[in-house]
Amino acid sequence: AQKVTQAQTEISVVEKEDVTLDCVYETRDTTYYLFWYKQPPSGELVFLIRRNSFDEQNEISGRYSWNFQKSTSSFNFTITASQVVDSAVYFCALSEEKTSYDKVIFGPGTSLSVIP
Amino acid sequence: DTGVSQDPRHKITKRGQNVTFRCDPISEHNRLYWYRQTLGQGPEFLTYFQNEAQLEKSRLLSDRFSAERPKGSFSTLEIQRTEQGDSAMYLCASEDRGRSEKLFFGSGTQLSVL
Repeated sequence: AQKVTQAQTEISVVEKEDVTLDCVYETRDTTYYLFWYKQPPSGELVFLIRRNSFDEQNEISGRYSWNFQKSTSSFNFTITASQVVDSAVYFCALSEEKTSYDKVIFGPGTSLSVIP
Repeated sequence: DTGVSQDPRHKITKRGQNVTFRCDPISEHNRLYWYRQTLGQGPEFLTYFQNEAQLEKSRLLSDRFSAERPKGSFSTLEIQRTEQGDSAMYLCASEDRGRSEKLFFGSGTQLSVL
């Protein structure tokens, strides 16, 4: 069965520190998508990235970067030079080809607090 | 795009009452999803629509729950005979499937059953 694990429940960092949020997934499908979403205190989940299982290239977008490693079934997210506005709950998620990508399975989330 | 809107933002009800939530997706989005989120957990899939057709319902959705999307635009989620275990945040998301496979979420309806 598919599953997404985010072992870090809560993380606190001081502003300008780098922080990495871990995500480990399980799937029997060979074709799948991985996602990261951000949920700020307002409650609305915001899409950050989608990664195809065949594309293992790391991606960088401004202060955000993602490291996808199929060998360890991990899709980790790093924020460089963190800012207070990065404080939110971050969810890693998975959807599989066998369900036509219709169901997105979310991990339990990691709550990040960036302290000024 | 005005985004996905949900109404109400908060609902407090007594056990046994019926409640209905509304979701207005981004216009022209053909997919609409309902998720439920409890404290400290990620969203859990409940059901989804392709236009007006409801294509799948999770086993989490008991027969007290019903969802509709009558004209392929807004959707309603009704819970009959609410129970305390129904207390959660109910999230709606829409997607322009075929153009971009990413979900746009609303701010949710927080349900408290007393």
